Amino acid sequence: QKEVEQNSGPLSVPEGAIASLNCTYSDRVSQSFFWYRQYSGKSPELIMSIYSNGDKEDGRFTAQLNKASQYVSLLIRDSQPSDSATYLCAVKSGAGSYQLTFGKGTKLSVIP
Amino acid sequence: DTAVSQTPKYLVTQMGNDKSIKCEQNLGHDTMYWYKQDSKKFLKIMFSYNNKELIINETVPNRFSPKSPDKAHLNLHINSLELGDSAVYFCASSDSFHTDTQYFGPGTRLTVL
Repeated sequence: QKEVEQNSGPLSVPEGAIASLNCTYSDRVSQSFFWYRQYSGKSPELIMSIYSNGDKEDGRFTAQLNKASQYVSLLIRDSQPSDSATYLCAVKSGAGSYQLTFGKGTKLSVIP
Repeated sequence: DTAVSQTPKYLVTQMGNDKSIKCEQNLGHDTMYWYKQDSKKFLKIMFSYNNKELIINETVPNRFSPKSPDKAHLNLHINSLELGDSAVYFCASSDSFHTDTQYFGPGTRLTVL
């Protein structure tokens, strides 16, 4: 059974701080990793994808992947109240796989 | 233009009824998905179709039956609705060459009374 684990939170950070969201996964052959953001009452939207060990930066977002530790994280710099949402970690097993396995999400609240 | 659309947005019905949810995408994608998100926000894959062919069929009661009349549509029919079916159902689509990026519809909130 493939599992993706996240701390459900809520994680509260002050505006302007760095928010750190963590995710672990059980399937060692996983190759693709994603962070989706879901605002309350809305659908998930992809914000970051990462495939190789190390860091990947996109604006205020940085995804970090460590396959040896089966760990992926998302850092949000200069957090804004508009970043308040649930962040879903998702993992895909291998090339050609269509299936994403989602974690239960971490709810982030950015306090003005 | 809406990329992935679902109808209805809200569905309230009695136990035992049969209902359908429709999904359409205008992105030209060839792969579509149904997800269920329960009250604890856990998003779980139910089905996936690629070029109208079923490729993912997770452990879902056989009261749920997907139908894909063409690549742009994937409908979900649910028979004999139960209280536990209450959830938000999301449709999504992707290009089979770029399956990493899945585009989600707005969701259908199903409430079974």
